[in-house]
Amino acid sequence: GAVVSQHPSRVICKSGTSVKIECRSLDFQATTMFWYRQFPKQSLMLMATSNEGSKATYEQGVEKDKFLINHASLTLSTLTVTSAHPEDSSFYICSARANWGLARYEQYFGPGTRLTVT
Amino acid sequence: GENVEQHPSTLSVQEGDSAVIKCTYSDSASNYFPWYKQELGKRPQLIIDIRSNVGEKKDQRIAVTLNKTAKHFSLHITETQPEDSAVYFCAASIQDFGNEKLTFGTGTRLTIIP
Repeated sequence: GAVVSQHPSRVICKSGTSVKIECRSLDFQATTMFWYRQFPKQSLMLMATSNEGSKATYEQGVEKDKFLINHASLTLSTLTVTSAHPEDSSFYICSARANWGLARYEQYFGPGTRLTVT
Repeated sequence: GENVEQHPSTLSVQEGDSAVIKCTYSDSASNYFPWYKQELGKRPQLIIDIRSNVGEKKDQRIAVTLNKTAKHFSLHITETQPEDSAVYFCAASIQDFGNEKLTFGTGTRLTIIP
């Protein structure tokens, strides 16, 4: 159990366009999802915390108007990179926090989306 | 905010030997410490975690120890195998509903030499 999917797995877009990435919890409900960014050979950097039915909480230095997050249901959160630029190229990973029993401490990660902006 | 440091950044050990990765954290309120294994281009996988009410936890060849006073925790892998080769990340968080974000360490690239 506790499977998280992401779509697409890879995307190439042109500079100036927008890209939407979906994160789904397949077999459990997730009131909270997290979005991370990972550069090659680096750690995961939290971008924002997504809460179902409310506005996302962004980490310092992350532009909320550039990285739009929508958590419209208990199983789906989306990240839209608006007006993408080459420096936005990265590996974007979401995670979903379980909300039952002791498992509520754990985060389950999606497989990631590799974004390349040309 | 929380700051997690991880050492070493790279580690090579002979197959069958043990590997130890260490992390320190800054926020004494942190109470949940997971370890993740990430293979190239793949998602991080939780391999073991520990909460602040225990000092040690073991799962087969993997163990984690926590020293709350010194604010450090360590991952121990015994009888290493080639499939243990990956990048390992430690993390820390304060498990309090509404504030459960993880702060990750910088990662350790573990290579098991056959």
